[in-house]
Amino acid sequence: EAGVAQSPRYKIIEKRQSVAFWCNPISGHATLYWYQQILGQGPKLLIQFQNNGVVDDSQLPKDRFSAERLKGVDSTLKIQPAKLEDSAVYLCASSPWTSGSSTYEQYFGPGTRLTVT
Amino acid sequence: AQSVTQLDSQVPVFEEAPVELRCNYSSSVSVYLFWYVQYPNQGLQLLLKYLSGSTLVKGINGFEAEFNKSQTSFHLRKPSVHISDTAEYFCAVSALTGGGNKLTFGTGTQLKVEL
Repeated sequence: EAGVAQSPRYKIIEKRQSVAFWCNPISGHATLYWYQQILGQGPKLLIQFQNNGVVDDSQLPKDRFSAERLKGVDSTLKIQPAKLEDSAVYLCASSPWTSGSSTYEQYFGPGTRLTVT
Repeated sequence: AQSVTQLDSQVPVFEEAPVELRCNYSSSVSVYLFWYVQYPNQGLQLLLKYLSGSTLVKGINGFEAEFNKSQTSFHLRKPSVHISDTAEYFCAVSALTGGGNKLTFGTGTQLKVEL
């Protein structure tokens, strides 16, 4: 079974530029998550999708971050404009979990390391 | 809301020695508990999880953890570590109900195994 795919693996941009990350979850997984992992910290949830609807985006800085999951499969996360403090690893995870189910494991992709200079 | 505290940011240990990585959590509701491992430049891999039942759970690579509800702890242990266990370890919790299966992570413990 193929795992969660993310691209690019690394990205270096200057502040105020824009950047986009792509995630392809495990086939059939209804729920997709984007996490931000700043150096020395644990991952922090940015946004959660169930199929193509947003479940939780309470920690997404909506003035500069946006995300979508068209057709309930692939997802993109965009930052525009980027700030220095956005330097982090952006992790995508997927899960077969749906509301009312008892399956809780999340499967993580390799992440995209973003450096903002 | 939930929170996770990993008491040690770094744990150095010699190869073949035992190790314990500590994790305490805080939550107003019942939770599921997880340990993930992250190797350099890789994503997170699930080591083990506690959902219900026996409080001692066994995971991959010889790791085990014990859920202690009264102490609100979920410490990770391995009786004999190997060089290949060098990695970052994250404890995480998810609310049993109403949490949308969201994970709240601790800040991580860097395990460094030395010869």
